[in-house]
Amino acid sequence: GQQVMQIPQYQHVQEGEDFTTYCNSSTTLSNIQWYKQRPGGHPVFLIQLVKSGEVKKQKRLTFQFGEAKKNSSLHITATQTTDVGTYFCAGANFGNEKLTFGTGTRLTIIP
Amino acid sequence: DVKVTQSSRYLVKRTGEKVFLECVQDMDHENMFWYRQDPGLGLRLIYFSYDVKMKEKGDIPEGYSVSREKKERFSLILESASTNQTSMYLCASSLSWGGNTIYFGEGSWLTVV
Repeated sequence: GQQVMQIPQYQHVQEGEDFTTYCNSSTTLSNIQWYKQRPGGHPVFLIQLVKSGEVKKQKRLTFQFGEAKKNSSLHITATQTTDVGTYFCAGANFGNEKLTFGTGTRLTIIP
Repeated sequence: DVKVTQSSRYLVKRTGEKVFLECVQDMDHENMFWYRQDPGLGLRLIYFSYDVKMKEKGDIPEGYSVSREKKERFSLILESASTNQTSMYLCASSLSWGGNTIYFGEGSWLTVV
C-alpha cells in the first residue's frame, strides 16, 4: 500500500531560525495536503498542492510539490513561538482519494 | 465553520469492555473517518465511510468496527477493548471524494487498563 514518510521526526530550533520538513511518497500522488497540530490540539488544514512543481506561500510558510508529484516540503522562515506543533503531510492517490498521512514532524522552538 | 464533535474527550475503560466513540459533523459532509494517533506513527486510518451505511476498512481495522446510520454521525466501536488500543482517536469529515480537505474533531483520549 501507499506509504508516506516524513523527516525529520523532531526538530528543535532557536526562535528566528528556519525550519524545513520533507515528505516522500512511495507512489505518485494526485495531490498533497499539509496540516498543523498544536500541542494538545487536533490537526488543522493548512494548504493543498495539486500541480507538479507547484509552490505556494502563506506568509512565512512555503510549500512545494515535487516535479514527479512524489515529494513535498514545508519551509518556515524565521520561526516564531506560534509555529510550535506537529506538521503532517497527507497524500492522495489517483483513483483512490483516501488520504494517507505522514508520520509528522514535531517542531519545538527555543526562545 | 465546519464542526466535528466527538462525544468524549477522555475515557478510561477496562480490558474486555465494549467501547463506543461517537462523532457528529454539522456540515452535511459525505465522508467521515476514524484515525488513531500514536507517537512516532502519525495518523493511521481505521475506517472510513463515504455514505450512510457504507464503510470501508482503512489501514488498521483489526479490533474495530464502525456504524453510520445517519449522514452526520459516525461511531467507532471497540468490541473488546485491549491495552494496545490505548490511544488518541480522531474523527474527521470531508465534503466529498477527491482528496478534499479533512476537518478533524478535538480527539478522544482512550486509556484501556
